[in-house]
Parts: sequence; C-alpha cells; structure tokens
Amino acid sequence: NAGVTQTPKFRVLKTGQSMTLLCAQDMNHEYMYWYRQDPGMGLRLIHYSVGEGTTAKGEVPDGYNVSRLKKQNFLLGLESAAPSQTSVYFCASNAPGQNTEAFFGQGTRLTVV
Amino acid sequence: AQTVTQSQPEMSVQEAETVTLSCTYDTSESDYYLFWYKQPPSRQMILVIRQEAYKQQNATENRFSVNFQKAAKSFSLKISDSQLGDAAMYFCAYRGYNTDKLIFGTGTRLQVFP
Repeated sequence: NAGVTQTPKFRVLKTGQSMTLLCAQDMNHEYMYWYRQDPGMGLRLIHYSVGEGTTAKGEVPDGYNVSRLKKQNFLLGLESAAPSQTSVYFCASNAPGQNTEAFFGQGTRLTVV
Repeated sequence: AQTVTQSQPEMSVQEAETVTLSCTYDTSESDYYLFWYKQPPSRQMILVIRQEAYKQQNATENRFSVNFQKAAKSFSLKISDSQLGDAAMYFCAYRGYNTDKLIFGTGTRLQVFP
C-alpha cells in the first residue's frame, strides 16, 4: 500500500542550486498538491493540480515551478534555491468530491545553505 | 480569501483527561468542509475527523468529537480520555464546496502528561 510517495526524504542544497522533488501516488487521484511546512506557519499551499496537464498557483508559489505530465506524478522544482526555501515539503492527493480525505506523503526535509 | 486560525500554539493535558483545541475560520461560502489532521513526530499527516458544513450534527470519531458552530465560524476538537499517543501537532483545515484547495491553520502542539 504505497499511497503517496515523496522522493527524496532529505536533501541539502547550496544556494543557487536546482533540484526537483518527485511525488507519486498510486490511488488514481485527480488532485495533487504541494505544501511547505514551517514552524509557526502551518502548511502553506505552493502549487496544486486538478488533473493531468494542469497546474495552478497556491499561496506561496514564488521560486517554485511544477509539472503534472502524468496523472500519478507531480513534480516540484526549485530553479535557484535560496535559504528561505529551507522547509519541510509535503505532497498530498485526493479524489474529486468535496468530502474526500487528502492523503499525504511522508515529507521531504530540504535545507538550503 | 479563506483563512483558518488556531490561536493556541501549545496545549497540554493529563492522561485520561479531556482537552479542547480551538479553530476559527473565515469564509464567504455557505457550503464547505472542515477537517482536523494529526501530525505525530513521524511527520505523517493523519485525518482525525471531518465535518460537512451543511450538517448540523457534530461529527464524532471514537474519543474525538467536534463542536461546530457555523454562525460563529468555529470548529473546535475535543479529545476525551486523552492517551499518550495523542501527543502530536493538530491542524485544522478548510475546504470550500467549490474550491479544490485545502487550507490549513498554523497548528496546535498537544502534550500529554502521564
């Protein structure tokens, strides 16, 4: 029962480096989300997707890009990492329907030095 | 824009006692859904309970229940017979009827003392 899987679980980047976080779900969910979690700020929505080939901005999209080329995958990219992007990143997915539960990955701890 | 506010950064409770975590939200929508998620030290997000705004009856899941006050835009979580395993961060979340986004509060860290 894989559910939502995030890769990698930990990463340290130098300022200016780029990287891609991968989220994969095996539940055939239409909706996928990327959040960042920072102390005292809860989970803030970065970008989300309501279906293959579609993406939309969330609350804090600056400095990030996303792609949803396949329904099961949602990629989060950092083109030029900054120390302010040090955070724990969560991917989530859910099926259409307003009452459906969102399933979360285990999180990726990213440190930018 | 919708917002979710959790005004208690930290709470503590004695084992077997009852504790209530507060959550308020702001929205102009009339239909929406509210959730409480638990995040233990493992970081995994776990759904605790959900409430549909059109239902007047408060949701209950075993030791967890909510007090949903739609007019006051309040959605508190009551944990009865607290257990050591209840210690975690608790997040309140909102999702509008016509919205795809799940919006979270800042969280309440619950400590449970033996």
